[in-house]
Amino acid sequence: LAKTTQPISMDSYEGQEVNITCSHNNIATNDYITWYQQFPSQGPRFIIQGYKTKVTNEVASLFIPADRKSSTLSLPRVSLSDTAVYYCLVGDMGRRALTFGSGTRLQVQP
Amino acid sequence: DTGVSQNPRHKITKRGQNVTFRCDPISEHNRLYWYRQTLGQGPEFLTYFQNEAQLEKSRLLSDRFSAERPKGSFSTLEIQRTEQGDSAMYLCASSLGGSPTYEQYFGPGTRLTVT
Repeated sequence: LAKTTQPISMDSYEGQEVNITCSHNNIATNDYITWYQQFPSQGPRFIIQGYKTKVTNEVASLFIPADRKSSTLSLPRVSLSDTAVYYCLVGDMGRRALTFGSGTRLQVQP
Repeated sequence: DTGVSQNPRHKITKRGQNVTFRCDPISEHNRLYWYRQTLGQGPEFLTYFQNEAQLEKSRLLSDRFSAERPKGSFSTLEIQRTEQGDSAMYLCASSLGGSPTYEQYFGPGTRLTVT
């Protein structure tokens, strides 16, 4: 399984764009990159998934360079409610178990 | 609410007692997963069902742990002879087979405290 490395914590202010980068140097050809969000006392929630280049949905954008050894989750104009832990996951779609790391704790301040 | 539900939300038990947790997945989801999460860590995979068949178990699932999913609907996770190290949040998730993404829908979890 590809190991992921992401910052332990980040701070931001309301209205700013937040970019969280995840390193996955050993990513395999069949691996997809997925991001989950978790609020305190809740289960994780799927945010976005991609394989290469850029993916955008109503919540976030995911940027993946050509070598796929890293990825960046971009949250536009964060609000206080975006304060959460964000997990970067890398894995083969054929494997059903999700492998979470320790995540990045994002604190958004007024 | 048609999301994943888990009961109880909190459980306090004494060491050596048995506990059982229940998970009700989203009704049309045929895949169900159990994870365990300790403070400051991400969830760790325990086991996975497709319909009623248990297809994968983590090495974390010791002999004291057993999970069932009769009739492919709700699932139960039982821990026998609980130990203090079993204190954690137990999360259940479900997904639909054939989904093109890794999207699993998680429940709110059951927080277990073993005293």
